[in-house]
Amino acid sequence: AQKVTQAQTEISVVEKEDVTLDCVYETRDTTYYLFWYKQPPSGELVFLIRRNSFDEQNEISGRYSWNFQKSTSSFNFTITASPVVDSAVYFCALGVYNFNKFYFGSGTKLNVKP
Amino acid sequence: DTGVSQDPRHKITKRGQNVTFRCDPISEHNRLYWYRQTLGQGPEFLTYFQNEAQLEKSRLLSDRFSAERPKGSFSTLEIQRTEQGDSAMYLCASMVGLAGHEQFFGPGTRLTVL
Repeated sequence: AQKVTQAQTEISVVEKEDVTLDCVYETRDTTYYLFWYKQPPSGELVFLIRRNSFDEQNEISGRYSWNFQKSTSSFNFTITASPVVDSAVYFCALGVYNFNKFYFGSGTKLNVKP
Repeated sequence: DTGVSQDPRHKITKRGQNVTFRCDPISEHNRLYWYRQTLGQGPEFLTYFQNEAQLEKSRLLSDRFSAERPKGSFSTLEIQRTEQGDSAMYLCASMVGLAGHEQFFGPGTRLTVL
């Protein structure tokens, strides 16, 4: 079975604070991709980052960093929060079967206060 | 504007009526996906096209739902005999043919069934 779980429903942080969004996935495929998308109040989903199943190297890009651990089936995403651009709902997604299907988590709503 | 577009943006209909939504993907993207998103949930996969071929359908897609992509460009999603449970945001996304790339989402069509 393929599944993505985002246990955090809603998080509130203060501007410039680091916040980590958790994502746990399930798949029996050995080749897969993981994604993070952002859905601002305007509603349109925006791609943020991706990682394939063969690359567990963690990265930092500006205010974003991510931690991919196959041993725990987790793909966590950390933001140094900015209220204007980062208050949104964040979705983790899993792509399998040669990308014929994608599975999304239920999302984490991030509230960033000045 | 070279992004994914969807029409209409909002649709209000009475139970039992048929509705049709249109999605225009990014022109060079041969992969096209339809999703349904309800309040507080992540996008839920409905169906996938590669060019004009419908290669994947969710088991959740009842026989009242049908989708087409006749010339491998735009796509339509039709819901026959709408029910109140069909009320949701219907999202379209497109992607280049190579696996590992991200999906680009349209703004969605919000359906309200009275």
